[in-house]
Amino acid sequence: QSVLTQPPSVSGAPGQRVTISCTGSSSNIGAGYDVHWYQQLPGTAPKLLIYGNSNRPSGVPDRFSGSKSGTSASLAITGLQAEDEADYYCQSYDSSLSGPYVVFGGGTKLTVL
Amino acid sequence: EVQLVQSGAEVKKPGESLRISCKGSGYSFTSYWISWVRQMPGKGLEWMGRIDPSDSYTNYSPSFQGHVTISADKSISTAYLQWSSLKASDTAMYYCARHVVAVAGTRELWYFDYWGQGTLVTVSS
Repeated sequence: QSVLTQPPSVSGAPGQRVTISCTGSSSNIGAGYDVHWYQQLPGTAPKLLIYGNSNRPSGVPDRFSGSKSGTSASLAITGLQAEDEADYYCQSYDSSLSGPYVVFGGGTKLTVL
Repeated sequence: EVQLVQSGAEVKKPGESLRISCKGSGYSFTSYWISWVRQMPGKGLEWMGRIDPSDSYTNYSPSFQGHVTISADKSISTAYLQWSSLKASDTAMYYCARHVVAVAGTRELWYFDYWGQGTLVTVSS
């Protein structure tokens, strides 16, 4: 059971907009810690997509955007393309128990119809 | 160009020991932490722990504390993940990642900006 909760799957047609949610708690996202997002294409290592809730590293298209509010965060992908079909993971920082430590969401599989 | 290059795939028997490596290049190795992340077959990402190569300080996820050891040799810009006695349940892909610690105002950010290609560890009798 992952500390951060994501929907197992989302889907959309080419050109559409999809969002992926990431829900945490008062010891991670709700405590004000930032959320970061990764894209994992099939058979490859994860790649940083969004850092600091809403910032894109150089080279990431502006079709990808992130936001955060309260104990949740979202990744939005507009103008969906076939190449966006991948697993997406959110990640934050948790200060509970013997922390601090890194926490991930369980991942969301995006299918482009 | 920043690169993290991991050692090759391993096939081991239960009870055997193993050390896998992650060599950094293209940046100052001691300026960033290195984290290790596990991905079991068909499953999600799990953070195992991290090391500060400048002083070898480590901290581990509670789920992995006592089961693995993370170390680093800054003289050769290499981090390691080690098991003393493997189990079948250790079968997974293991990634190293460059762990950024940044401060934005009052916020501290921990995230991974570069990843190794992964090392597949298979434990089977």
